[in-house]
Amino acid sequence: AQSVSQHNHHVILSEAASLELGCNYSYGGTVNLFWYVQYPGQHLQLLLKYFSGDPLVKGIKGFEAEFIKSKFSFNLRKPSVQWSDTAEYFCAVNDVDSSYKLIFGSGTRLLVRP
Amino acid sequence: GAGVSQSPSNKVTEKGKDVELRCDPISGHTALYWYRQSLGQGLEFLIYFQGNSAPDKSGLPSDRFSAERTGGSVSTLTIQRTQQEDSAVYLCASSFSGTGSSGYTFGSGTRLTVV
Repeated sequence: AQSVSQHNHHVILSEAASLELGCNYSYGGTVNLFWYVQYPGQHLQLLLKYFSGDPLVKGIKGFEAEFIKSKFSFNLRKPSVQWSDTAEYFCAVNDVDSSYKLIFGSGTRLLVRP
Repeated sequence: GAGVSQSPSNKVTEKGKDVELRCDPISGHTALYWYRQSLGQGLEFLIYFQGNSAPDKSGLPSDRFSAERTGGSVSTLTIQRTQQEDSAVYLCASSFSGTGSSGYTFGSGTRLTVV
């Protein structure tokens, strides 16, 4: 069965540090990839998505992610984090061959210290 | 409406009672999902409706859980004989198309507490 792994459950950074959150998925077929963010007390919001084309995807708030098909990875990056980036980040995959069922990773809690 | 609406926002119930959670998706969205988010856990897939196709129920944790979607719009998730381990936030999401190319919009969730 398809699965999504996020290796870092908790990350603590100081402001201006660089961020990279790992995401790997298990399915070898065609997938679409997403990163969602959940700020404290708020809804899940879409940060960015990859469907096709340039594997380096730019999202909102300075986030980007790179799809590396050979590694089944879609890591999220930001060059310089801010205190306001404190949130929980979820990687998700929808599987084209399984009617696009959307599966999430377990999430990474990011705390940015001022 | 402007977003995905879920009700109630909070529900406290006694162990053994049945509960119904409602999701009103964005008008015109054909895909609808239910997820469960437990404390410290990720989003656990429960069930997926896509248009008129048979729902994908593969994530429902037991036969106490069921869901329906009437008229391709509003969905109700029913939990029978609730147990304490059912306590969680239940999230609904909808999408304009099954592919998710337009993104998925999430509701604010129903926080269920079983006492």
